[in-house]
Amino acid sequence: AQSVTQPDIHITVSEGASLELRCNYSYGATPYLFWYVQSPGQGLQLLLKYFSGDTLVQGIKGFEAEFKRSQSSFNLRKPSVHWSDAAEYFCAVGASTSGTYKYIFGTGTRLKVLA
Amino acid sequence: KAGVTQTPRYLIKTRGQQVTLSCSPISGHRSVSWYQQTPGQGLQFLFEYFSETQRNKGNFPGRFSGRQFSNSRSEMNVSTLELGDSALYLCASSLSVSSGYTFGSGTRLTVV
Repeated sequence: AQSVTQPDIHITVSEGASLELRCNYSYGATPYLFWYVQSPGQGLQLLLKYFSGDTLVQGIKGFEAEFKRSQSSFNLRKPSVHWSDAAEYFCAVGASTSGTYKYIFGTGTRLKVLA
Repeated sequence: KAGVTQTPRYLIKTRGQQVTLSCSPISGHRSVSWYQQTPGQGLQFLFEYFSETQRNKGNFPGRFSGRQFSNSRSEMNVSTLELGDSALYLCASSLSVSSGYTFGSGTRLTVV
């Protein structure tokens, strides 16, 4: 069955430090891959997506993610974190199941940024 | 360009009542999905509608239902509310699976 794993429930980094959020997926083919961010009490906002081509994708707010087929991973990175990046981050996979597509979300990683 | 609009933003209901939540997708998006989000269970898929037809369904009891109108607006209904139905209900619309979702800000439902 398709699944998405975000192994880190909470991550704390200092402002200005680099960030990497991990995402692993289980799927028979290359799925559509997404990262979303959610601020408290709000909906999710799409940060970036991958479905083919260059395995390093750039997104909004200075985020990037790298698709590694051999590791079934799609990790999110940012070189220098800002206090406003504190939020919850969700990795998602768009996968075909029973002839239709659906999105499968990870359980999220809550990011805390120290001043 | 207007985003996904969910109404109401907040709702307080009593156990046993029923509730209807509304979602207006981005213009041109024919796929509308609903999610329930709680601290304990995370994001759980309720159902997806495409061109007025339910295309996918999550693992929720029959008390949860939805529909989509010809203008792609969608409603979800929860009957016989239980305390455990308290959650943030998110609606998302999509142009295609490769485009990803655009989410609304959600409806915060509290059942007392």
